[in-house]
Amino acid sequence: AQSVTQLGSHVSVSEGALVLLRCNYSSSVPPYLFWYVQYPNQGLQLLLKYTSAATLVKGINGFEAEFKKSETSFHLTKPSAHMSDAAEYFCAVSTGNQFYFGTGTSLTVIP
Amino acid sequence: NAGVTQTPKFRVLKTGQSMTLLCAQDMNHEYMYWYRQDPGMGLRLIHYSVGEGTTAKGEVPDGYNVSRLKKQNFLLGLESAAPSQTSVYFCATTRVGELFFGEGSRLTVL
Repeated sequence: AQSVTQLGSHVSVSEGALVLLRCNYSSSVPPYLFWYVQYPNQGLQLLLKYTSAATLVKGINGFEAEFKKSETSFHLTKPSAHMSDAAEYFCAVSTGNQFYFGTGTSLTVIP
Repeated sequence: NAGVTQTPKFRVLKTGQSMTLLCAQDMNHEYMYWYRQDPGMGLRLIHYSVGEGTTAKGEVPDGYNVSRLKKQNFLLGLESAAPSQTSVYFCATTRVGELFFGEGSRLTVL
């Protein structure tokens, strides 16, 4: 069975500070891993995905995530937060065509 | 190229009423999904379809029915709406391991 745990339902950072959103997964087989972003009143957009190539994955808007098999983690980072990064972020794992989502982390950026 | 389109975007129902949400995709994808999103619970899979004429239950199927009569359309029905079904509903399709979402349908059941 697959599952995703996102630590911290709310994260606040100052503008220009490091963004770190945590995601741990459990999977019985090598997974595909994703981060999605949801802006208010919109659907989810893909930020980045890991598909067993490079362990450090770069996504849109300056975000990146590192796959660490030993820690079963796929944390999302961005060196410098921007006001436009305020949104809800979801980590997801898939095997085949089934997707499992974490409960989400709401990111607030403080001016 | 609209991608994934959901209608309606907003709806208010009274308890016991029925309604259907329509999802239409123009990407020719085989797989389609219906999720519901509730605060603090992330996205939970209601039903999904692996192709025209097929449907399967997801994590939270009770109180919902679905149909996939045409490849491009995936319908989600509520036969007798309950307040617990107040939620935001998202349709999605997938190709090459990536999900493509509609903009959501916000349903309120009074």
